[in-house]
Amino acid sequence: DIQMTQSPASLSASLGETVTIECRASEDIYNGLAWYQQKPGKSPQLLIYNANSLHTGVPSRFSGSGSGTQYSLKINSLQSEDVASYFCQQYYNYPNTFGAGTKLELK
Amino acid sequence: VQLVESGGGLVQPGKSLKLSCSASGFTFSSYGMHWIRQAPGKGLDWVAYISSSSGTVYADAVKGRFTISRDNAKNTLYLQLNSLKSEDTAIYYCARSLTTRPPYYYVMDAWGQGASVTVSS
Repeated sequence: DIQMTQSPASLSASLGETVTIECRASEDIYNGLAWYQQKPGKSPQLLIYNANSLHTGVPSRFSGSGSGTQYSLKINSLQSEDVASYFCQQYYNYPNTFGAGTKLELK
Repeated sequence: VQLVESGGGLVQPGKSLKLSCSASGFTFSSYGMHWIRQAPGKGLDWVAYISSSSGTVYADAVKGRFTISRDNAKNTLYLQLNSLKSEDTAIYYCARSLTTRPPYYYVMDAWGQGASVTVSS
């Protein structure tokens, strides 16, 4: 199975700040990567797929980038509603696998 | 789009349970569907997928024990959980595939609120 390693595991940032979360795959996943946001007590929501395609309705302050084995999610101008856990998922290869998550809190 | 899971509960090891996911707000029969689980305080773990034509794929951890199925006439997705183990304890989410095109059918663009399954004696 492809292992997905996310960093950092937790992150504290201030309102208006830019935040970056990293995800490393154990092998090349050819941009087969999605990012999900899970707010406390809620179900996950799709943010980005194909490494950099913003899902419908997702605010433009979210963006994804990367290639090969290294990917990142950037949140510009952090808002209070962005407090959540973020998970990456590779779907290039069976079985699709998720990172362990990054918990984002406000400083 | 709305997905509503039901059927969760407390069950003894070795026993069975059947989860349901009622779908509305979209043409259910046209979409592939997934079950994904999340153990308490842990990350996400994909369980199974069923295509719009009822082809199925399972994670190795549940292969032979769990069965995913669908009833398009009832707009309902199911997960039959047999031979349950303590490590199956989790919230089980149903989710819709983003598209029918590979590999994007493994991207989940709508999720239910989850059904809690606890396996304990």
